[in-house]
Amino acid sequence: EAQVTQNPRYLITVTGKKLTVTCSQNMNHEYMSWYRQDPGLGLRQIYYSMNVEVTDKGDVPEGYKVSRKEKRNFPLILESPSPNQTSLYFCASSPFLWGTDGELFFGEGSRLTVL
Amino acid sequence: SQELEQSPQSLIVQEGKNLTINCTSSKTLYGLYWYKQKYGEGLIFLMMLQKGGEEKSHEKITAKLDEKKQQSSLHITASQPSHAGIYLCGAIGGSNYKLTFGKGTLLTVNP
Repeated sequence: EAQVTQNPRYLITVTGKKLTVTCSQNMNHEYMSWYRQDPGLGLRQIYYSMNVEVTDKGDVPEGYKVSRKEKRNFPLILESPSPNQTSLYFCASSPFLWGTDGELFFGEGSRLTVL
Repeated sequence: SQELEQSPQSLIVQEGKNLTINCTSSKTLYGLYWYKQKYGEGLIFLMMLQKGGEEKSHEKITAKLDEKKQQSSLHITASQPSHAGIYLCGAIGGSNYKLTFGKGTLLTVNP
């Protein structure tokens, strides 16, 4: 089954404790991206990646890191989480955004709370 | 940077009524996605539009992209309670592959 898998789905952590949210897709997609969703602010892009070793900042990259060492995986790293990073996070992948009739596949979301 | 304005922000309709949600961009759209989301849950893909004047339908939902590729509308015919949720438009604004989403339209359908 084609899917984007995020882990953990729920996490409560404390300020400053490094954490990683994993994202994996089984569709051999080139494009992957991370979003956060907050009430009143909508869905905002954090980072995206066009292919292995190619990443770029979205609209809200501060406080986050990503890596794309393999095509299928795109982990989101919070080196020193702060309470303002409490949010619902989504990972997504797509074969390629241009010239396709393609869908951007989303994971089920990871709800993160930073105390 | 590109901004997407969705209107209305929220909408309450009676079951069976038709409704339209709009998505307006500050820049030319290179691709426009429509998604539906139940609050706090994942996003369900509805459709993607790329060409000016393009129109697509899925069941009772029709989406159009205007000729100038700066506005899209989502139309639901004979709404049902199952249509309730948050509708999000997302767009590719240019060659940098950034994806921007609108803030969403909350649809309530009363039986």
